[in-house]
Amino acid sequence: DTGVSQNPRHKITKRGQNVTFRCDPISEHNRLYWYRQTLGQGPEFLTYFQNEAQLEKSRLLSDRFSAERPKGSFSTLEIQRTEQGDSAMYLCASSFWGVNTEAFFGQGTRLTVV
Amino acid sequence: GQQLNQSPQSMFIQEGEDVSMNCTSSSIFNTWLWYKQDPGEGPVLLIALYKAGELTSNGRLTAQFGITRKDSFLNISASIPSDVGIYFCAGQETSGSRLTFGEGTQLTVNP
Repeated sequence: DTGVSQNPRHKITKRGQNVTFRCDPISEHNRLYWYRQTLGQGPEFLTYFQNEAQLEKSRLLSDRFSAERPKGSFSTLEIQRTEQGDSAMYLCASSFWGVNTEAFFGQGTRLTVV
Repeated sequence: GQQLNQSPQSMFIQEGEDVSMNCTSSSIFNTWLWYKQDPGEGPVLLIALYKAGELTSNGRLTAQFGITRKDSFLNISASIPSDVGIYFCAGQETSGSRLTFGEGTQLTVNP
């Protein structure tokens, strides 16, 4: 297993366009998380799934953001009508659910809205 | 909401020196994790702590879970140039729940 994989690594889009990011977790992990990180800050939680069920959403996840994990494997994060303030690194992580579980992160998708 | 205060914000040290950084929380966490992040990359897990008072080592790294469950520290001994990066603490209320991150400690190691 090569770890958590995110695509694309970089995305430049014009304001108002829609963008979609993909995350492939570590294959045996049943929990998948999305975080956003702006320059000079720690990652901030957006949402997470257990299998295909979305268990929690942060208030940071506005109506323009939607995340799915349709078959409990890969996940997509879509941002509609992008704004310049959406420019950030979007990080995906995965873990087991159980006792003493650790979250492992992907390399992230860097979004720049121009 | 929960906040993690991580200090120091930055450190400039000479190769071979030891380093210590810490995190404090306004509320209790049941898991503490320490990550390292290089520019343009995702965080890489260094150490996970699951029990109050636990002291865990990973090579030259040692981390402790505070007995109050509201703090943790990370020590790096005999620093080397590849230790350069940003170190983040993260707390977790319950196993598998969201992580709350500190603001990071930027470490610079001068050869």
